[in-house]
Amino acid sequence: DTAVSQTPKYLVTQMGNDKSIKCEQNLGHDTMYWYKQDSKKFLKIMFSYNNKELIINETVPNRFSPKSPDKAHLNLHINSLELGDSAVYFCASSQDWESLQETQYFGPGTRLLVL
Amino acid sequence: QKEVEQNSGPLSVPEGAIASLNCTYSDRGSQSFFWYRQYSGKSPELIMSIYSNGDKEDGRFTAQLNKASQYVSLLIRDSQPSDSATYLCAVNNRGNQFYFGTGTSLTVIP
Repeated sequence: DTAVSQTPKYLVTQMGNDKSIKCEQNLGHDTMYWYKQDSKKFLKIMFSYNNKELIINETVPNRFSPKSPDKAHLNLHINSLELGDSAVYFCASSQDWESLQETQYFGPGTRLLVL
Repeated sequence: QKEVEQNSGPLSVPEGAIASLNCTYSDRGSQSFFWYRQYSGKSPELIMSIYSNGDKEDGRFTAQLNKASQYVSLLIRDSQPSDSATYLCAVNNRGNQFYFGTGTSLTVIP
């Protein structure tokens, strides 16, 4: 069974379009994250939700909007896609955000290419 | 200054040698330190975590932490071609503040 899953795996779209990426975890974790990994492999946190509530919102354009319908799901909607949004987006989860020793488990990634 | 810094490499070692990967961090209050391995086209996977000064060994891997020098390292003994990957250092500062380095690319030459 896949612990953290994302759909779609690949996403190719035109500039200006709106798209969504879905993430689900079956680990029973309370906390979920979205990361962006650019072409230089730099992994940067975008958002974090704990039990459906937003707890981290890094400096990310307003075009990016996360939604957490329940603690097992964290979706990412992107409006008006730009060329610079091309990257790999990783979803991750951890048991409890308050523990400093929590391990994060990553999904397989969604490779977004904006043309 | 970046929160976490790593030498991007590439680092090449012959099979059977020791690979040494280094990481420095800027926040002296950092509490937890992690090493993730990422194969090309795959997601990061945790290989080691360390929380207190000193060494922590797990099989062929040893993590070393020196909080006074704000330095964490990963040693891979008896390196294998299957260890060829990018190794990401991550630091957890205050609960949810996870910062990753840019990673060090390791190639183990058969």
